[in-house]
Amino acid sequence: AQTVTQSQPEMSVQEAETVTLSCTYDTSESDYYLFWYKQPPSRQMILVIRQEAYKQQNATENRFSVNFQKAAKSFSLKISDSQLGDAAMYFCAYRSVLGSGGSNYKLTFGKGTLLTVNP
Amino acid sequence: DAGVIQSPRHEVTEMGQEVTLRCKPISGHNSLFWYRQTMMRGLELLIYFNNNVPIDDSGMPEDRFSAKMPNASFSTLKIQPSEPRDSAVYFCASSFARAEAFFGQGTRLTVV
Repeated sequence: AQTVTQSQPEMSVQEAETVTLSCTYDTSESDYYLFWYKQPPSRQMILVIRQEAYKQQNATENRFSVNFQKAAKSFSLKISDSQLGDAAMYFCAYRSVLGSGGSNYKLTFGKGTLLTVNP
Repeated sequence: DAGVIQSPRHEVTEMGQEVTLRCKPISGHNSLFWYRQTMMRGLELLIYFNNNVPIDDSGMPEDRFSAKMPNASFSTLKIQPSEPRDSAVYFCASSFARAEAFFGQGTRLTVV
């Protein structure tokens, strides 16, 4: 079974600085998707960024970018120019293709990293 | 599109009572997930449907939990009988194929 590990339960960053959140995963598959989700205090789960495993280029979305290292099974999230509104729990997620016919697209989450942004 | 709609937003019930949580996925999505979130266990996948068929229910805690998806636009998660340890936020999410999942607002369940 696939597992997702976020080794940093909590992180903090100064406003306008850069922070990197770590994520590693375990899989025997060659094709999969990886995601970062953000959960602010409102508890709404919001997609931040996604990466297809077959793409070598790292995904970017404005101030958010990833460092995808497929061989190392690592998928870190970098937040540049941190803002107060970035404070939230961040979850790394893995989406697999399992079973015959590719019909099982199970989505597995890590335990999350709580990010605090200091003014 | 209204997004994934869950009801109720909050539920307080007494131990032993039956609880039913409801979810309307985004139209056109063919995958539906039920997750449970607690401080201790984080975000746990309870069950996953693909094209209305349960594919993986290995996360369902015990026989007190059951989930159904009678059609592409509706799913329920039932707990009978409920226990205090079932208190958590329950999320429903939907997606199309391997794309990202979109989450509902969640149902905060409190069993007293």
